[in-house]
Amino acid sequence: GESVGLHLPTLSVQEGDNSIINCAYSNSASDYFIWYKQESGKGPQFIIDIRSNMDKRQGQRVTVLLNKTVKHLSLQIAATQPGDSAVYFCAENNRGNTPLVFGKGTRLSVIA
Amino acid sequence: SAVISQKPSRDICQRGTSLTIQCQVDSQVTMMFWYRQQPGQSLTLIATANQGSEATYESGFVIDKFPISRPNLTFSTLTVSNMSPEDSSIYLCSGKQGGGAEAFFGQGTRLTVV
Repeated sequence: GESVGLHLPTLSVQEGDNSIINCAYSNSASDYFIWYKQESGKGPQFIIDIRSNMDKRQGQRVTVLLNKTVKHLSLQIAATQPGDSAVYFCAENNRGNTPLVFGKGTRLSVIA
Repeated sequence: SAVISQKPSRDICQRGTSLTIQCQVDSQVTMMFWYRQQPGQSLTLIATANQGSEATYESGFVIDKFPISRPNLTFSTLTVSNMSPEDSSIYLCSGKQGGGAEAFFGQGTRLTVV
């Protein structure tokens, strides 16, 4: 169903600092998790993913942590840049042919 | 990942009319989906577009209001019918290659109904 109409939570960070964006997922059967970045006027773009048999995965400047015990995901962005300003969504899925389910999203604002 | 071309990118429509949004993928994909995104909110799944058969709709969305076609593995359309201002939103199509795979998105259609 639809989310209640509330503004997205916002995280403001200084340029060069590290950012941590958190997400709680709902389905304990989910075994695949993705972080997306959505800039204004664009569709979501893939950043990084992680499978349930891992608890950490690193990419370029980004790290995703998965805690299955408490159903929690986080996205860490190192040395945050102005170009990182966007809305970030986590999404969960399982191995079946099912659509992704998106979390509520967080707006990241980078202060130069 | 594949690239999805979605059009129109935006439109302003009169209430009571219908708009058809098209998505073309540059390669065959197993699954295609349609999402709606209200301003400042997350993505809500409207339906799964099934190739050669009727779409599978989520709770709160019905075929008469949002008819969907998927004639082949690279193309899908979503029609927003008998529009009202409450239908003003961003509509996004998405493709996915089976379970446990990332989904990729078109750039979205920003619809305003006046």
